[in-house]
Amino acid sequence: NAGVMQNPRHLVRRRGQEARLRCSPMKGHSHVYWYRQLPEEGLKFMVYLQKENIIDESGMPKERFSAEFPKEGPSILRIQQVVRGDSAAYFCASSPRGAERGYTFGSGTRLTVV
Amino acid sequence: QQQVKQSPQSLIVQKGGISIINCAYENTAFDYFPWYQQFPGKGPALLIAIRPDVSEKKEGRFTISFNKSAKQFSLHIMDSQPGDSATYFCAATPYNNNDMRFGAGTRLTVKP
Repeated sequence: NAGVMQNPRHLVRRRGQEARLRCSPMKGHSHVYWYRQLPEEGLKFMVYLQKENIIDESGMPKERFSAEFPKEGPSILRIQQVVRGDSAAYFCASSPRGAERGYTFGSGTRLTVV
Repeated sequence: QQQVKQSPQSLIVQKGGISIINCAYENTAFDYFPWYQQFPGKGPALLIAIRPDVSEKKEGRFTISFNKSAKQFSLHIMDSQPGDSATYFCAATPYNNNDMRFGAGTRLTVKP
């Protein structure tokens, strides 16, 4: 009964490279959410996805960031041309469709841009 | 924009004491209010949650108090223990909407 799986746990990228963060939701969960947490700060909503659909991306920066949740496979958060300010912990959460609205979070991916 | 305001930012409590963390919201469409606990290097974990049809919910040493008219809710940790030292986040989401908004977090330290 695996929980929400995120990988990699730690990711180091040089400025200008691309970062790809993966999230496999809990079994039976079809809703995925991405949050960003800066050091000493709270959780900032980025995007909410269901299978093959972006439901709400109001928290996503307009440029360089994109997210997908394909029919098969994990959800991907993609950051192109990373900058130092992208360094943060990125958490994915999932929830079941139409049920209890408590999210289950993964352990996060800590992105460091050098 | 911050839709859920949380205070204090940090809190130090002696072992055995009561820890109290407060949250306020503005969106009257919110109808589910969870609290999450996060240890360093880990993801947030659901601790306890409340719906606005009750004014209080208790699970072990953890109690949520809810004041619908004031649009405030709080987490009380009774008999606080050093193992409770973590960051606590309140959150809120509207009915039938999976878009959950989080407070800024409270870093709790329980001194032995």
